[in-house]
This record gives sequence, structure tokens and C-alpha cells, in this order.
Amino acid sequence: NAGVTQTPKFRVLKTGQSMTLLCAQDMNHEYMYWYRQDPGMGLRLIHYSVGEGTTAKGEVPDGYNVSRLKKQNFLLGLESAAPSQTSVYFCASSYSGTGVHEQYFGPGTRLTVT
Amino acid sequence: AQSVTQLDSQVPVFEEAPVELRCNYSSSVSVYLFWYVQYPNQGLQLLLKYLSGSTLVKGINGFEAEFNKSQTSFHLRKPSVHISDTAEYFCAVSDQATAGNKLTFGGGTRVLVKP
Repeated sequence: NAGVTQTPKFRVLKTGQSMTLLCAQDMNHEYMYWYRQDPGMGLRLIHYSVGEGTTAKGEVPDGYNVSRLKKQNFLLGLESAAPSQTSVYFCASSYSGTGVHEQYFGPGTRLTVT
Repeated sequence: AQSVTQLDSQVPVFEEAPVELRCNYSSSVSVYLFWYVQYPNQGLQLLLKYLSGSTLVKGINGFEAEFNKSQTSFHLRKPSVHISDTAEYFCAVSDQATAGNKLTFGGGTRVLVKP
């Protein structure tokens, strides 16, 4: 099992450009998440999904869009990149059964917006 | 809404010495508590979690944490650290009342183990 994978690993964008980050998981998890990590601020939830075809806003959703067309994939889009979106982006997934379950994280995507 | 405060942003420690990483949280509802570790240039992985029951929780790599409800704390400890414990550690909470297993993270504590 590959677990959670993210594509690409690194990207540099100019202000105003767009891009899509891809997250894939092979654990048949219902729940998927996108976070951004900034120094001293921990990880902050951007958007999440509790199942195929459903998405919801997290703590910092502005400037981002997401789609979950297939259960195993969760895409994060930036329509018009801004320098404030320079960050490391992590995708995670978790099981949805009774109780609470750990989240499994991908290796991250380092994005720089100039 | 919840919030998590990790009181130390950096903790230098000598090899084989003990370490304690402090975590306090606030929430209007009951929460589940987690500690995650991030090794350099990697994603996060779970160290341990508190769901219910005994307030002392043991995790991987010799780490343990104690839940203190009255002080709303969940401090992480290891009696003797190794060079390989150099990493960033994140405390997180999950609201028991809301579906989705969403996590709220603290700002992280960077541990540097010196020989």
C-alpha cells in the first residue's frame, strides 16, 4: 500500500497563476482533508470531505477550491495564486467508522508563490 | 470551537535526558486528544491518542502523555531521548460532537536532541 500520496512535491508559481494539487489514498477511507502548514501556526484545515461528491470548508478556505469526484482522490485548486499562499500543503485521510480515528498524512507539497 | 496552545516553540535537550512537551487546550465540548510527530521533510504520523479511560496513554517510540481534565492539559513525555527523536511535535484535538474527525492543531514544538 502506498498510503497517501501527493502530486507534485514542489511547485513555484507566479502571482495570478493557477494550479491543482492532487491527493490520492489507497486505504478506502471516506474522509479526506487538506491542510496548510506555516511556521509557528501548526496545521490549519483548508477544506475537507466526508465522502465522494461532498466537500466542506475548514478554518482557512478562502482562495482555494476542492473536488472529490472519486473516493480515492481529493483535489485542491488555487485559481489565482497569491504570495500569502506560499506554504507546505498536506493531504490526509481517515476511516469513518464509529468512534474517532487517526488521520494518515501524505508527504506534503511545498508551494512558493512569487 | 477549540484551540490548542503548545507552550514551547523549541526545546533543546541532550541525548538520554528526559523531555516534556506541554500542551493546553480549550473547548466547550468534550474532545479527543492526539500527539503527532513530523520528522524533517516528512508528513505527520501519530504518536499516541487519548479517547477515554486511563489518563496515562502510552505511544510509540517510548513516548507517553497524561490527560488532565481539570487543567485542560495533555503533556507529552519521554524519560530518555535519542538523537532520532529530533523532530517537530504537534498536539491536536478533535471535537467529540462533530462528525468528520477534524483536527485542530497547536503551533508545534521543535525538539532538537544534542549529543
